Amino acid sequence: GAGVSQSPSNKVTEKGKDVELRCDPISGHTALYWYRQSLGQGLEFLIYFQGNSAPDKSGLPSDRFSAERTGGSVSTLTIQRTQQEDSAVYLCASSPWGLGYEKLFFGSGTQLSVL
Amino acid sequence: GIQVEQSPPDLILQEGANSTLRCNFSDSVNNLQWFHQNPWGQLINLFYIPSGTKQNGRLSATTVATERYSLLYISSSQTTDSGVYFCAVQGSQGNLIFGKGTKLSVKP
Repeated sequence: GAGVSQSPSNKVTEKGKDVELRCDPISGHTALYWYRQSLGQGLEFLIYFQGNSAPDKSGLPSDRFSAERTGGSVSTLTIQRTQQEDSAVYLCASSPWGLGYEKLFFGSGTQLSVL
Repeated sequence: GIQVEQSPPDLILQEGANSTLRCNFSDSVNNLQWFHQNPWGQLINLFYIPSGTKQNGRLSATTVATERYSLLYISSSQTTDSGVYFCAVQGSQGNLIFGKGTKLSVKP
């Protein structure tokens, strides 16, 4: 696609439920990043993919968080047993790393609200 | 890990004024980018600038890698420049680490 696409744009869930957030990067981009932004705060790094592998999972806040990427394209971020502190905007970005040009392009984010 | 500090945290300008935003980082980097997050939350990449100077219209950026800082200049500011400006640098594992941002408000 023309840009990074994230779905859903908004998600309201009850505490304890599982949620899946989807990111569709720019076609051909090999690097994919997930960040989290709480209200009025900066961006917190979660995980980074190079192709289908994740060389850096250091930012995942707990074992309730997991992410995968298949076919070097779409990625899903799964949060199990959601807690209220998981409420935030989850942002995905991609870059054409490996092609010699490393600008990062962000999607519009998924606003997650855990009640 | 690498630390990124931005200053000032908040900035209020009158339309037409110029400003300089600063980003300090604690280690050598191969990748430094400036982003603007508009009031609706969309993040736009302004510059990819690991070293040197670049200009794009009223915006320009300079990174002095040997002294571990980068500056973003905004000239003749407009109300549409309002938002949060983030500096981000690449960590050793390839991820981008963001500063806490400078919140800019341009008043008409």
